[in-house]
Amino acid sequence: QKEVEQNSGPLSVPEGAIASLNCTYSDRGSQSFFWYRQYSGKSPELIMFIYSNGDKEDGRFTAQLNKASQYVSLLIRDSQPSDSATYLCAVTTAYSGAGSYQLTFGKGTKLSVIP
Amino acid sequence: DGGITQSPKYLFRKEGQNVTLSCEQNLNHDAMYWYRQDPGQGLRLIYYSQIVNDFQKGDIAEGYSVSREKKESFPLTVTSAQKNPTAFYLCASSIEGTSAHSYEQYFGPGTRLTVT
Repeated sequence: QKEVEQNSGPLSVPEGAIASLNCTYSDRGSQSFFWYRQYSGKSPELIMFIYSNGDKEDGRFTAQLNKASQYVSLLIRDSQPSDSATYLCAVTTAYSGAGSYQLTFGKGTKLSVIP
Repeated sequence: DGGITQSPKYLFRKEGQNVTLSCEQNLNHDAMYWYRQDPGQGLRLIYYSQIVNDFQKGDIAEGYSVSREKKESFPLTVTSAQKNPTAFYLCASSIEGTSAHSYEQYFGPGTRLTVT
């Protein structure tokens, strides 16, 4: 069973601080990694994806990938109350041995940014 | 305006009734997916389709059925055989789903189904 693990939180940070969200995965063959943001009662929204080891920055968001440690993280700089949401980590896993790849999702980390 | 639409937003049914959830996309994506989300749980894959007239079971397909007669449409039927159908159902699509560098998936707004 391929697994994606996240700390469920809640993670509370003050406004303006850096929020750090972490994710580990079990499938060494995983090659694509995604972060989704999900507001309460809404559907997930893709905010970042990363394929290669290292950092990838997009505005206030930085995704970090370490395949050797099977670890991916999301940093949110200058956190705002509007960033308060559940963040889902998703990892590509080979599926059914049929040449298809699917996303396996973690259960999400709830982030609360305190004004 | 490109995107994925799901209807209805809320759906209430009596136990023992089949119900069909709609999913339409105008992104010209080949692959479409259905997920189920329960409170405090991650998304679980029900069915997926990589191409018209073909679909595959996901991790929790029992009690569900799908069709893919058109590229744009991937309806999900929740049958009376599904023991715990009350959940938030999410439809997603991606450019394709056969690459190891799996193209990102985009989600519709979801349908919240309540069965009593």
